[in-house]
Amino acid sequence: ETGVTQSPTHLIKTRGQQVTLRCSSQSGHNTVSWYQQALGQGPQFIFQYYREEENGRGNFPPRFSGLQFPNYSSELNVNALELDDSALYLCASSSRGGTSTWYEQYFGPGTRLTVT
Amino acid sequence: AQTVTQSQPEMSVQEAETVTLSCTYDTSESDYYLFWYKQPPSRQMILVIRQEAYKQQNATENRFSVNFQKAAKSFSLKISDSQLGDAAMYFCAYRSGNRDDKIIFGKGTRLHILP
Repeated sequence: ETGVTQSPTHLIKTRGQQVTLRCSSQSGHNTVSWYQQALGQGPQFIFQYYREEENGRGNFPPRFSGLQFPNYSSELNVNALELDDSALYLCASSSRGGTSTWYEQYFGPGTRLTVT
Repeated sequence: AQTVTQSQPEMSVQEAETVTLSCTYDTSESDYYLFWYKQPPSRQMILVIRQEAYKQQNATENRFSVNFQKAAKSFSLKISDSQLGDAAMYFCAYRSGNRDDKIIFGKGTRLHILP
């Protein structure tokens, strides 16, 4: 069973630039959620993707957007980067639909984004 | 809105001893799930233990157990026989029974293991 993977591991961008982060879900999982974890804080929910559509969104502006592909992998895009976007971005996958553990999310190792 | 509160920013425990991490939550829902996640310096968020709110029996996973007090909205984690590898940030988390909902995390408790 393949776990959740994310790329890249680290990224440094300049304010105003755009960034794309990638996530491959765990084998057998069809739902991907993205979280932002600022230093010293718990993760904050950004949005969730199921069947290639956004399915729930946290308190994040529209410059945070995403995609899910037919193989259930996902991208997080952030436009017009701001200094406060510096954080660890976590992807989590889960299996919606009929499984007894649909409510469990399994996390990837994260991408550390630094905006200067 | 649901909230999760961890009132202990840091804790320390002697190796082989037992430690309890506290968590309280607030919700008006009756169907929900509670979790404890561990995040070591490697950053990978690891699911330690989960509790379904409809179950009265406290969950146990090897050295990890919870004390789930539904009426008090309390969900503490007990780690027995603490090991050096237990050193990490521990996050208490809540998820609604609504399948469209997200996981809400507390701010975490950093656990130090003293050799």
